Amino acid sequence: DGGITQSPKYLFRKEGQNVTLSCEQNLNHDAMYWYRQDPGQGLRLIYYSQIVNDFQKGDIAEGYSVSREKKESFPLTVTSAQKNPTAFYLCASSMEFSPLHFGNGTRLTVT
Amino acid sequence: AQSVTQLDSHVSVSEGTPVLLRCNYSSSYSPSLFWYVQHPNKGLQLLLKYTSAATLVKGINGFEAEFKKSETSFHLTKPSAHMSDAAEYFCVVSAPGGYNKLIFGAGTRLAVHP
Repeated sequence: DGGITQSPKYLFRKEGQNVTLSCEQNLNHDAMYWYRQDPGQGLRLIYYSQIVNDFQKGDIAEGYSVSREKKESFPLTVTSAQKNPTAFYLCASSMEFSPLHFGNGTRLTVT
Repeated sequence: AQSVTQLDSHVSVSEGTPVLLRCNYSSSYSPSLFWYVQHPNKGLQLLLKYTSAATLVKGINGFEAEFKKSETSFHLTKPSAHMSDAAEYFCVVSAPGGYNKLIFGAGTRLAVHP
């Protein structure tokens, strides 16, 4: 079945460490996205990519980095510069002008 | 500029009674509108979408929404709630630009009681 796989489901890190969240899709979608979700808030866009080797900052890109070396993969690195990294991270993909398909998320806890 | 407001952060209903989740939007253009559902610790699933065709949109699991331009509303309804409907629901507006221009509401948490 086609879908989006995010791994791991839960991730724990110490403050000051970089951490990379994985996102893989087999839907052959061109665009991929990373969102952050905090309790009581809607989703906020971190980064998005419309084609391989190209990506753009979203609304809250500071402290995050991404790469898009393959169409299927869009990993997100949460760097030590992110002041409040504990959150639920959602990856999504889409074709142009089509609704987003979401993965099941990674819950990151930084202590 | 586009924006979306979900008027209730929490809604509680009894099983078998109607569901109404309210959403108002603001848009300078003719918008595309969506409702997504999120179960605990899961991703978001598309319930339905409005893209300037019929104003009454039917979605999955018995949900539907009506686009009312005069009221700038896109409320989500279901005639009879089921226990499995308990989840968080997001109203989303898409601005011109295609891929990335999505604006999410803050969400409405629906509780369904026996």
